[in-house]
Amino acid sequence: AQKITQTQPGMFVQEKEAVTLDCTYDTSDPSYGLFWYKQPSSGEMIFLIYQGSYDQQNATEGRYSLNFQKARKSANLVISASQLGDSAMYFCAMRERERDDKIIFGKGTRLHILP
Amino acid sequence: KAGVTQTPRYLIKTRGQQVTLSCSPISGHRSVSWYQQTPGQGLQFLFEYFSETQRNKGNFPGRFSGRQFSNSRSEMNVSTLELGDSALYLCASSLGRGSGANVLTFGAGSRLTVL
Repeated sequence: AQKITQTQPGMFVQEKEAVTLDCTYDTSDPSYGLFWYKQPSSGEMIFLIYQGSYDQQNATEGRYSLNFQKARKSANLVISASQLGDSAMYFCAMRERERDDKIIFGKGTRLHILP
Repeated sequence: KAGVTQTPRYLIKTRGQQVTLSCSPISGHRSVSWYQQTPGQGLQFLFEYFSETQRNKGNFPGRFSGRQFSNSRSEMNVSTLELGDSALYLCASSLGRGSGANVLTFGAGSRLTVL
């Protein structure tokens, strides 16, 4: 079964609009971490934001925020005021700390920002 | 400080050959993880090394192997190459267990083409 599901293979968004990239996860581990990474066309993976399962507040990093809904097992990434440079692949990932501690990734969402 | 360095960046091999990829982690990082990225399968976890010991392994055949040296540098080897091994191989380093966020920092990748 898929541990990380990203249902949007591709998205087109107008520049300056807000974007929400969906991510749902599946785990029975009470202690886990959720990550979002960005992969531009150059190929290098760039860490964006992290949310721990016990964190009470949603994580934020500049224009990035993580909409963490624990009961729904959802960890959507929100990008405010999108820019052309945000065009990239975005990956949601999870680490189950008590299970095996490795980080596994979803299939990704390709985001296109339109001028 | 220097990032994660992967060599070589690009290589072309033929079926049946073997290949060795190298990864130098960020100074002070003791954990190195390897991922295979293909358009069809996305990012798949290969293995993780911590203090010269493999502590996690993905679902890949025994042709895929790795090791870590005392200076935390890691190598992965693929023997008897198959066409399906063509992929971007990403290495990532982290501090290792004990750090809640345990963010992975990725290298630029080694793009392997098997002819």
